[in-house]
Amino acid sequence: KQEVTQIPAALSVPEGENLVLNCSFTDSAIYNLQWFRQDPGKGLTSLLLIQSSQREQTSGRLNASLDKSSGRSTLYIAASQPGDSATYLCAVDSNYQLIWGAGTKLIIKP
Amino acid sequence: NAGVTQTPKFQVLKTGQSMTLQCAQDMNHEYMSWYRQDPGMGLRLIHYSVGAGITDQGEVPNGYNVSRSTTEDFPLRLLSAAPSQTSVYFCATKVGGTDTQYFGPGTRLTVL
Repeated sequence: KQEVTQIPAALSVPEGENLVLNCSFTDSAIYNLQWFRQDPGKGLTSLLLIQSSQREQTSGRLNASLDKSSGRSTLYIAASQPGDSATYLCAVDSNYQLIWGAGTKLIIKP
Repeated sequence: NAGVTQTPKFQVLKTGQSMTLQCAQDMNHEYMSWYRQDPGMGLRLIHYSVGAGITDQGEVPNGYNVSRSTTEDFPLRLLSAAPSQTSVYFCATKVGGTDTQYFGPGTRLTVL
């Protein structure tokens, strides 16, 4: 059974720092891996989707990598800003169903 | 273009009551799904549909019922509410296959 883990559960860093969020999964047979952002009391917004054949995807200050063989993905956020404060969730598409991690709550201090 | 809409935003039920959570989309997406999100846990799939007239169970289907009579709507029915169903419910859609999903704003349900 696919399991997805995100470490750390919470992270607080000063504004301007570069940071890395981690996601690991137990079964490498995935179609893709997706990173989402969730703001308090709001829905989820898709940030990046990495197909199983890809190694990374970039969008602005965000870069996500995928290493299927080791069951790991990282989300790199460059030059963090207070507006980046949110919960970040990763999900793997396994047999056309998304399996989710519990998320990393990120706080960027001005 | 409203995207994915969910109603109501908040709901309080008593144990044993039934209700329907509404989900509608105007993007003509074939795939729709319902998730629940509990504190400290990832989202869990309740039911999903790959097109009108086709539904299937996800990870946690017990106590919930769905139907898909049109492409636009995918209601979730709670048959007899229980306190364990207190959660935030999200509806999501995608074009199909392995595309990204688009989420509604959620319904926060409390069962007393």
